[in-house]
Amino acid sequence: AQSVAQPEDQVNVAEGNPLTVKCTYSVSGNPYLFWYVQYPNRGLQFLLKYITGDNLVKGSYGFEAEFNKSQTSFHLKKPSALVSDSALYFCAVRASSGSARQLTFGSGTQLTVLP
Amino acid sequence: DAGVTQSPTHLIKTRGQQVTLRCSPISGHKSVSWYQQVLGQGPQFIFQYYEKEERGRGNFPDRFSARQFPNYSSELNVNALLLGDSALYLCASSLELVVGADFGPGTRLTVT
Repeated sequence: AQSVAQPEDQVNVAEGNPLTVKCTYSVSGNPYLFWYVQYPNRGLQFLLKYITGDNLVKGSYGFEAEFNKSQTSFHLKKPSALVSDSALYFCAVRASSGSARQLTFGSGTQLTVLP
Repeated sequence: DAGVTQSPTHLIKTRGQQVTLRCSPISGHKSVSWYQQVLGQGPQFIFQYYEKEERGRGNFPDRFSARQFPNYSSELNVNALLLGDSALYLCASSLELVVGADFGPGTRLTVT
């Protein structure tokens, strides 16, 4: 079975400082990894994905994530946080092959950027 | 281009009733997936359809059913509603069998 762990329910960071939202995963075979953001009373908005290739993935709104196979991690990062980045962030994984086609999500991390 | 659309936006039902939620995928997308997001949790996979065939089912009871129409739109049906079915129901569409997905705004179901 595939799973995702987001060890921090809440991350607080000052505006202008770098931010990191952590994610580790478990899946059979090679993973496809995703980050989504959710604003209050809204659906999920895609940020970035890792399928294959370069371990550093760049996404929307200045976000990036680093795939680390040995640590089974896919942490989300941004060099300089904005107050508007405050939202709920979800990491998700699916296997690159096999019958498990669905995305499995973590429990989410609430990011608050303080002005 | 319109994104994934879902209707209705909000819905209030009483226990024991039945509900139907609707989803229209992005034009050209052939795969639709449904997820349930209970408050404070991540989305949980319910169903995936591709080319009108069920391609995956999550760990949900038989009260949950879905179908995909020839125009690739989809309906999610939930029978005999329980209080625990109160959640945000998200629909996602993709070109193929999910390499990333575009999500709709969701339908907020409240069961009283």
